[in-house]
Amino acid sequence: DTGVSQDPRHKITKRGQNVTFRCDPISEHNRLYWYRQTLGQGPEFLTYFQNEAQLEKSRLLSDRFSAERPKGSFSTLEIQRTEQGDSAMYLCASSPGGANSPLHFGNGTRLTVT
Amino acid sequence: GENVEQHPSTLSVQEGDSAVIKCTYSDSASNYFPWYKQELGKRPQLIIDIRSNVGEKKDQRIAVTLNKTAKHFSLHITETQPEDSAVYFCAASWTNAGKSTFGDGTTLTVKP
Repeated sequence: DTGVSQDPRHKITKRGQNVTFRCDPISEHNRLYWYRQTLGQGPEFLTYFQNEAQLEKSRLLSDRFSAERPKGSFSTLEIQRTEQGDSAMYLCASSPGGANSPLHFGNGTRLTVT
Repeated sequence: GENVEQHPSTLSVQEGDSAVIKCTYSDSASNYFPWYKQELGKRPQLIIDIRSNVGEKKDQRIAVTLNKTAKHFSLHITETQPEDSAVYFCAASWTNAGKSTFGDGTTLTVKP
């Protein structure tokens, strides 16, 4: 299966700790997205990359969140000084880019902040 | 920015009946409208999409209609089956925007 992969699948951390998630997109896809999903809600946009360039970051995203895609392949999402409100499913998606391409999602990383 | 509203939030139908889920969007520049299905514990997956240059698209038991004037689009599932039970999300985006904006989802339950 050459779909989008995310690691880890689950992460439990204590409030105040830093966490980092990894996403490996479909290899030929040049766009990579991070979304956050909480129970009963649709995926909420966090940020996206075109190759290695971070082109947009949600205004809702605090300075504690940072994402990188250093070589235009895999991406990392780091959350510093985690808070209980950060508990959610973090979804990565990729697309081939171009006008209006569908998103291919990974299985997500479920974060629980205690 | 774009705002997408989705109704109903839950929908229960008898096997074999039809199901309709509706979404409205706010940004008239939006021109791409995908629908995703998310089964319990799994990733969202695209089931059908429509672009603004057409009003309807069909794929077997699934169809999507788009009314650009009213800024709403709908998902129609005919002859529902228990395996159609899932959460369905609509989304909207436009060509020069990087992101899709999602509705809050509809939980569809098909009772055998």
